Amino acid sequence: DAEITQSPRHKITETGRQVTLACHQTWNHNNMFWYRQDLGHGLRLIHYSYGVQDTNKGEVSDGYSVSRSNTEDLPLTLESAASSQTSVYFCASSESGTSSYNEQFFGPGTRLTVL
Amino acid sequence: SQKIEQNSEALNIQEGKTATLTCNYTNYSPAYLQWYRQDPGRGPVFLLLIRENEKEKRKERLKVTFDTTLKQSLFHITASQPADSATYLCALRGYSSASKIIFGSGTRLSIRP
Repeated sequence: DAEITQSPRHKITETGRQVTLACHQTWNHNNMFWYRQDLGHGLRLIHYSYGVQDTNKGEVSDGYSVSRSNTEDLPLTLESAASSQTSVYFCASSESGTSSYNEQFFGPGTRLTVL
Repeated sequence: SQKIEQNSEALNIQEGKTATLTCNYTNYSPAYLQWYRQDPGRGPVFLLLIRENEKEKRKERLKVTFDTTLKQSLFHITASQPADSATYLCALRGYSSASKIIFGSGTRLSIRP
């Protein structure tokens, strides 16, 4: 069965370190997204990609970067981790095209703690 | 700026009753409105989509309404069960297939036996 996976599921790091969160999907979806979820804020979009070599900034992109070298993977990098980036991170994917519902399929999440 | 509001307080419902969750939005004209369910420690799961020209959509015990004049969607769970306890998120999307989905913060629903 197709799925979307994230790793690691839990991560503790120190302020200033570079951290990369992995996201891998086997749906063969063109669209991939990274969100963070914090209490009271819901899901906020960090970065998104509509295909290989395409990346775009979301509403809370400062301090984060992504790259899309293939269809299956969209790793999220925190260049210099800050305590404000302590959160739960979700990766999602969806089909492209106007005829699709564009429902998003979410991964299980990564809980990141920056000390 | 675009804003989506959902009941910030948890909703507690007796088993068997109908649960009704509200999603209001401002400064946006969505083409589609989606509802997702999220269980603790898990990612959201898609439940239903309703288009702007649809007034109502049903799926088993779920019913969604979409009022573009009031800028509001209502999400109903009839004959609620303890297994329906979760957080429910509404999400809006524009007309273009490249439009991003904007999520509300969710409403936590608890169904007591």
